[in-house]
Amino acid sequence: AQSVTQLDSQVPVFEEAPVELRCNYSSSVSVYLFWYVQYPNQGLQLLLKYLSGSTLVKGINGFEAEFNKSQTSFHLRKPSVHISDTAEYFCAVSDQGTGGFKTIFGAGTRLFVKA
Amino acid sequence: EAGVVQSPRYKIIEKKQPVAFWCNPISGHNTLYWYLQNLGQGPELLIRYENEEAVDDSQLPKDRFSAERLKGVDSTLKIQPAELGDSAVYLCASSRAGLAGDTQYFGPGTRLTVL
Repeated sequence: AQSVTQLDSQVPVFEEAPVELRCNYSSSVSVYLFWYVQYPNQGLQLLLKYLSGSTLVKGINGFEAEFNKSQTSFHLRKPSVHISDTAEYFCAVSDQGTGGFKTIFGAGTRLFVKA
Repeated sequence: EAGVVQSPRYKIIEKKQPVAFWCNPISGHNTLYWYLQNLGQGPELLIRYENEEAVDDSQLPKDRFSAERLKGVDSTLKIQPAELGDSAVYLCASSRAGLAGDTQYFGPGTRLTVL
């Protein structure tokens, strides 16, 4: 069965500092991996996703993530954060089985950017 | 293009009362999802539709929850009767096709409070 673990529930960081939000997953089959961001009182929106190919994926707002199959990880990084990056970030994994697919979301990491 | 529309945005009811949520997906999106998001948690799938067919309702508590997607466009999620534990945010999402690698587009959610 799939599972997603976001290792940090909260990450405080100063503006212009780098940040890494960690995500580990488990699945018995090939997976697709996603990072979504949720701003207050809004729905989730896609930051980036890994389907296949290059393990380094670039997304919107300067974020990138690296798929590491041996470590079963998909950590999200940004070299310099802004106040506006304060939000909840969700890692998700989907796999395609014979009966369809399931998307499982992690519990989320709250990124708080301080001035 | 217009995003996923949900209404109402907020709903406060007393326990044992019925409640309904409405979702209009992005035009042309065949797949529609209803998720439950508890405070401090990631979304959890309640039901997924491919056009008019509910293809995954394994996590829907069928004793009190029901959903429909008539004509394969709009969808309604109903709870009858509501319990205190149903207080949460109910998210609707849509995607172009029912594939594991598809991006899901989320609405802003309906925040339900059961008193």
